[in-house]
Amino acid sequence: QVTLKESGPGILQPSQTLSLTCTFSGFSLSTYGMGVGWIRQPSGKGLEWLANIWWDDDKYYNPSLKNRLTISKDTSNNQAFLKITNVDTADTATYYCARIPGDHWGQGVMVTVSS
Amino acid sequence: DIVMTQAPLSVSVTPGESASISCRSSKSLLHSNGITYVYWYLQKPGKSPQLLIYRMSNLASGVPDRFSGSGSETDFTLKISRVEAEDVGIYYCGQLLEKLTFGSGTKLEIK
Repeated sequence: QVTLKESGPGILQPSQTLSLTCTFSGFSLSTYGMGVGWIRQPSGKGLEWLANIWWDDDKYYNPSLKNRLTISKDTSNNQAFLKITNVDTADTATYYCARIPGDHWGQGVMVTVSS
Repeated sequence: DIVMTQAPLSVSVTPGESASISCRSSKSLLHSNGITYVYWYLQKPGKSPQLLIYRMSNLASGVPDRFSGSGSETDFTLKISRVEAEDVGIYYCGQLLEKLTFGSGTKLEIK
């Protein structure tokens, strides 16, 4: 059974760095072809893809946010991570991780950026 | 970057009737391996998105066969036959040929 669960700080202040963790089970990011993506959704809006990381450590970023994003993984502990630097109120959203191609998603974690 | 354009923005359907949602990509999603990397997702109210269709026309596990996907290299359709109340939500197309991008979503409501 595949499961994913996101965790994050809940609330943070503008200019801080947002650190998110995706803890998953039922598959391994060391297996050929496996990947995990991060997607976010501001309240009442659509889905915005942020970044993907693959079994071979290939990484891809949304070009509109690329300079602020860092994706990484810990294969031994079945975790993927996303860091977003210099956050502002526009980064307030629910953040999801999903196994690519999106056949399994986490429940999402709400992140609020506020002073 | 590949842009995914969905239509309509919303659709209202009588239970038992059919509904179709269109998606157009700014670039061919047909890979040289013969696979078309378009996907359809449904986000029910208050829930995480779920995969309905993968690689243009393949039904994801556990998805009723009332859902079907079709298309060409750049134009794609999700068809829902015999719409039920549980089908309400926002439908998104997505592409995985290059990175990942989503359409803006189509809201399905029941009349």
